[in-house]
This record gives sequence, structure tokens and C-alpha cells, in this order.
Amino acid sequence: EDQVTQSPEALRLQEGESSSLNCSYTVSGLRGLFWYRQDPGKGPEFLFTLYSAGEEKEKERLKATLTKKESFLHITAPKPEDSATYLCAVQARSNDYKLSFGAGTTVTVRA
Amino acid sequence: GAGVSQSPSNKVTEKGKDVELRCDPISGHTALYWYRQSLGQGLEFLIYFQGNSAPDKSGLPSDRFSAERTGGSVSTLTIQRTQQEDSAVYLCASSLAGGGNQPQHFGDGTRLSIL
Repeated sequence: EDQVTQSPEALRLQEGESSSLNCSYTVSGLRGLFWYRQDPGKGPEFLFTLYSAGEEKEKERLKATLTKKESFLHITAPKPEDSATYLCAVQARSNDYKLSFGAGTTVTVRA
Repeated sequence: GAGVSQSPSNKVTEKGKDVELRCDPISGHTALYWYRQSLGQGLEFLIYFQGNSAPDKSGLPSDRFSAERTGGSVSTLTIQRTQQEDSAVYLCASSLAGGGNQPQHFGDGTRLSIL
């Protein structure tokens, strides 16, 4: 069974204080790893898809990287508007539509 | 353009009642998914529809849960004889096609509370 573990559960940052979120996964043949952002009371918003180890993707202050066992979401010089819950999900080759999600990391950025 | 639309946004009902949740996917998206998000837990896959193919119902937690998709567009998730453990946020997503190349785009969900 596919498993996704995210750490830490919560992260409090000062504005401008860079940090990283971790997503460890176990899947029998990775089809893709997805990062989403979720604001309170809203549905997840798609950020990135990573397909193979060594791949990196960037969007504004966010950068996602992938290894064979984990993915990192780096937040560089965060702003208060980056406060949200960040969700990681994996998709297996054998079932390439179902997403298996981690529980998320809730990031709070203080001004 | 319009995103995935879900209704109602909130639903409070008594234990034992039936509820229907509606999802209107992004126009042109052939794949539709239902997930459930319980407090403090990750999203849990429920069901997947792709075009006219038979749906993958493997994630439905019990036979009280059913879903249909009419005309390849709007979907309804029905929960019969609701129980308190059914309380959660029910999220719908759609994608251009099924499969790993297409990201799933989510609606804002229906918050279901069973009294």
C-alpha cells in the first residue's frame, strides 16, 4: 500500500526565514509526486508535479525537489501570504489516477 | 475560467438521514474524482470516473456510499443512513483526462456534519 508521511506537522516561520518541508513516500513504482497548497476552508490548489529523481520545479518562492524516497518543498524568504497547509501526494504506475495524500504540513509565516 | 463547483458548501443533518452532494467539474474535463478529508488526516480516495468507462469504486468505505455521473459531467455522491463517522469534508476534483500527466483540480468541498 502506498504511504506518504509529511514532516513537520506544523512550522512557524518569521517572514524571510527560509525552510524546507519533507515528504517521505513508499510506492510500488512512482508515476508522479504532487504538491498542493490548501488554505482554510478551500480545496487543494495544484502547485507541482515531479516524475523522476533529480527533478526540480520552481514557482515564485517555492521549489520542489525529488529523490527516490522523498521530496522537499523549499520555501525561500517566505511572506505571510505563504501561510497555508502544504499537501504531498503520490500516484503509482499501477493505478495512475488515484492520489495517496500525506496529512500535510501547516506553515504559518509571521510578519 | 470556472473551476470545480460543489454544492452545498455546508450540510448539517441528523444521523440516519440520506444526503446528496453535487459536483460540477471544469468544462471539458473527462475525469472526475471524489475524496474525503477528515480532521487531521490526509485526503482519502473514494471513487473515480473516466468518460464512459465503469467507475473505480474501490475507495468507497461502505455500501451506504454511492456515486453517479450523468452525461459525463455532473456527479452526485450519495450517503445513505448517515453515521457520525461520516462527518468530514467531501472534495471533488476533475482533470482533462485520467492518468498521471494531468493534475487534478479540486473544488472547495462540502462540509458534512452529522448530529
